[in-house]
Amino acid sequence: VQLLESGGGLVQPGGSLRLSCSASGFTFSDYPMNWVRQAPGKGLEWLSNIRAETRDVYYADSVRGRFTISRDNAKNSLFLQMNSLEYEDTAVYYCARDLRVAFDHWGQGILVTVSS
Amino acid sequence: QSALTQPPSASGSPGQSVTISCTGTRSDVGGYNYVSWYQQHPGKAPKLMVYEVTERPSGVPDRFSGSKSGNTAFLTVSGLQAEDESDYYCSSYAGRFTWVFGGGTKLTVL
Repeated sequence: VQLLESGGGLVQPGGSLRLSCSASGFTFSDYPMNWVRQAPGKGLEWLSNIRAETRDVYYADSVRGRFTISRDNAKNSLFLQMNSLEYEDTAVYYCARDLRVAFDHWGQGILVTVSS
Repeated sequence: QSALTQPPSASGSPGQSVTISCTGTRSDVGGYNYVSWYQQHPGKAPKLMVYEVTERPSGVPDRFSGSKSGNTAFLTVSGLQAEDESDYYCSSYAGRFTWVFGGGTKLTVL
């Protein structure tokens, strides 16, 4: 199992960024997927979940209405569209596979920095 | 979606046992048997150590064990080893396909 995030970088407050997570080593379409972030020196924060079959989506209150999770099963890819970014969104963002209601595999993480 | 409560730090000598607590509410820890624990070394991605309160993924030493009582979950590390020194996070399912994490506990092996 391998998960590889990309698309991070420096963005100004109010700006947008789209993260991608490329999956390999498992049947991507069989698994729900998640985004989790970690602000510098802080703990983990769950952000969003997308179901495998229905593609229903769920969000933490902190990002609902600003972030959009999506997936392309044909391309084994997970995405996170982040709009109206705030300083407090600065963090390392991880994609994580959902197995048995836990996060059993994680990507290496990608840094998003919101700064003027 | 309030964070679960963990002690900021814990410590023990090699060979000893240490237990880390994770306190939530009836809406998360107390309401579901879906508590998981993660080990995170500095600069690395988290690693799943325990899921469904007590289950260990393949490859995780049986020195790591989980339990729960009411709204509080516990991770016990027995026979402490130097490589167990790390940050540990609990997480609980909170219903409607949402999750909540604890603030993390820094485990020091003395």
